[in-house]
This record gives sequence, structure tokens and C-alpha cells, in this order.
Amino acid sequence: LAKTTQPISMDSYEGQEVNITCSHNNIATNDYITWYQQFPSQGPRFIIQGYKTKVTNEVASLFIPADRKSSTLSLPRVSLSDTAVYYCLVAALTSGTYKYIFGTGTRLKVLA
Amino acid sequence: ETGVTQTPRHLVMGMTNKKSLKCEQHLGHNAMYWYKQSAKKPLELMFVYNFKEQTENNSVPSRFSPECPNSSHLFLHLHTLQPEDSALYLCASSQDRSSQPGSEQFFGPGTRLTVL
Repeated sequence: LAKTTQPISMDSYEGQEVNITCSHNNIATNDYITWYQQFPSQGPRFIIQGYKTKVTNEVASLFIPADRKSSTLSLPRVSLSDTAVYYCLVAALTSGTYKYIFGTGTRLKVLA
Repeated sequence: ETGVTQTPRHLVMGMTNKKSLKCEQHLGHNAMYWYKQSAKKPLELMFVYNFKEQTENNSVPSRFSPECPNSSHLFLHLHTLQPEDSALYLCASSQDRSSQPGSEQFFGPGTRLTVL
């Protein structure tokens, strides 16, 4: 079963690009990688999902190297409102059922 | 209402009480989930239901009893809880897990539970 590891916290300044990496060393070939954002007193919110290479949407990019043992969430030009906890989630196929494994979360603080 | 709703938003209960958490989704999804989020810990998946059938129980103590009467509603019945059960309990829903694995989960706002 894939286990995920993330940095505990990161600081950044407004307008900068932020890259948060998640390690999932034993990810299986059929596992998806998903990133969520969570604000205080709210449930997590989907940001982006990928399987391999690069995925981009209107809010973020997700980079997945060929070995898929890690993934990097890239937030372009962050603002104060991007201050939140970011979780990577690996959906691992185990005994015919997908099990979800959340990372420990990275607390991003964006400074003015 | 839209999305995933949870009631109550806050709950304080004694160890001998019995209470229930309610979750409702208005997204037409067929999979629903209960998560526990304790302070400074990752989200812990507790139960999964797909088309009203429980498909996962991740070694959750029996003092937590889930119920899924239909694809839109999910309950978590609580009895004789311990103070360490105090946490944020999150409900989520997604498309059918068997046909769309890894599909996006939509989370409710959570119920903040305090056990005295």
C-alpha cells in the first residue's frame, strides 16, 4: 500500500510560484494522485488529479516524473488566500478495491 | 442546498450519550465516505459506502456505527465515545467507486465533535 510523505509547512510571498512535493515511493502502476486544499473549519477541496507526466488546470499544475515515486503540485503566483493546508492523496488499488491514502498535509503560509 | 451538507456543525457530548451525525449530498453521487480528522493528523478514512453497501471499514471501533439508507444520506451513530474521539468528522461523496476509481471527492464542512 502506497504511503505518502509531505513537508509539514512552507512559507511563500505573494506573487511567487510555490511547489509542494509529495513522496509516494511504493505507488502502484494503477494509482491516481490527487491534491486537495483545506481551509480552517472547512472540508478539503479538490485541486487537481493526475496519473503521469503533467496535468494543468486553471488553478494549478501537477508534475509526475516517469517513476511516479513523487509528485509536485505547482501553484503559480500565490496570493494571501492560498494560505491553507495542501494534501496529496493516492488512490491505491488493493484487492480489487481503491483505498485512499491521504498525506500528512503541507501547511502553506503566504506572506504579504 | 447544493453540494454536501453535514449536521450538526458542532456537537458536545458526554461519554454516556448517544448522538448521530448526518450527511446529505445533492450531487447525484453513489459513493459516500466518513473521515476523521484529529488535530495535527492526516485525514483518516473510516467507512466507505458504494450504492448503499458498505465496502470499507478501516478498523473503526464499534462505538461508531454508520448507516446509509440511500445514496444521498449517510449517518454516523455515536455511543459511549471517549475523549480521544474528539475530532472533526468529515463526510464526502463521489461518483461510483467501481466504475470511476480515483474520482474527485466532494467534502462537507464537517462536524466538530467534543467528547467530555
